[in-house]
Amino acid sequence: DADVTQTPRNRITKTGKRIMLECSQTKGHDRMYWYRQDPGLGLRLIYYSFDVKDINKGEISDGYSVSRQAQAKFSLSLESAIPNQTALYFCATSADGKLFFGSGTQLSVL
Amino acid sequence: AQSVSQHNHHVILSEAASLELGCNYSYGGTVNLFWYVQYPGQHLQLLLKYFSGDPLVKGIKGFEAEFIKSKFSFNLRKPSVQWSDTAEYFCAVRSSGTYKYIFGTGTRLKVLA
Repeated sequence: DADVTQTPRNRITKTGKRIMLECSQTKGHDRMYWYRQDPGLGLRLIYYSFDVKDINKGEISDGYSVSRQAQAKFSLSLESAIPNQTALYFCATSADGKLFFGSGTQLSVL
Repeated sequence: AQSVSQHNHHVILSEAASLELGCNYSYGGTVNLFWYVQYPGQHLQLLLKYFSGDPLVKGIKGFEAEFIKSKFSFNLRKPSVQWSDTAEYFCAVRSSGTYKYIFGTGTRLKVLA
């Protein structure tokens, strides 16, 4: 089983819909991250959390929100999806100076 | 704010050619530096990292990188690439003592057999 699990793997939604991407980890790490990957733009940090009570905005947090329900769970929400949020989304944990990525969620907003 | 620049967006090499991918960062303090690789259809994996000490660091699969503080650079090298090195490579920086990782835009490497 993967240490960092993202669900769903793929999602197609319509403009204006609310959508949640979920991430869970079995590594026991306190630090968790959400990134989006766009061709030519690399990975951009959306939100990060150092524990359940510590959530921080990243480079591109507008239009997104997060919830750290437990040490192992960190969800990303798009309150009202728009087409330019179409991207590959990665969740990650970190420890010992290393990031551990999930397999990604490909989100398409029509 | 921190930023990371990767100037080579696409690189095409023949097998056995040498590789050097550029990475420059902007940040005035102490940083930790990383190279990650993303093989087709896979998630990112750590190639190597620099925290302190010898500025020449060696990673997996024959990759190495050199930290040159005066140039704010952390270039990735490999003496002889293989077809299996075809992937996208990302440089990343973290302010020392923090846990916020900032990535560059990536370099797509294609190695021709």
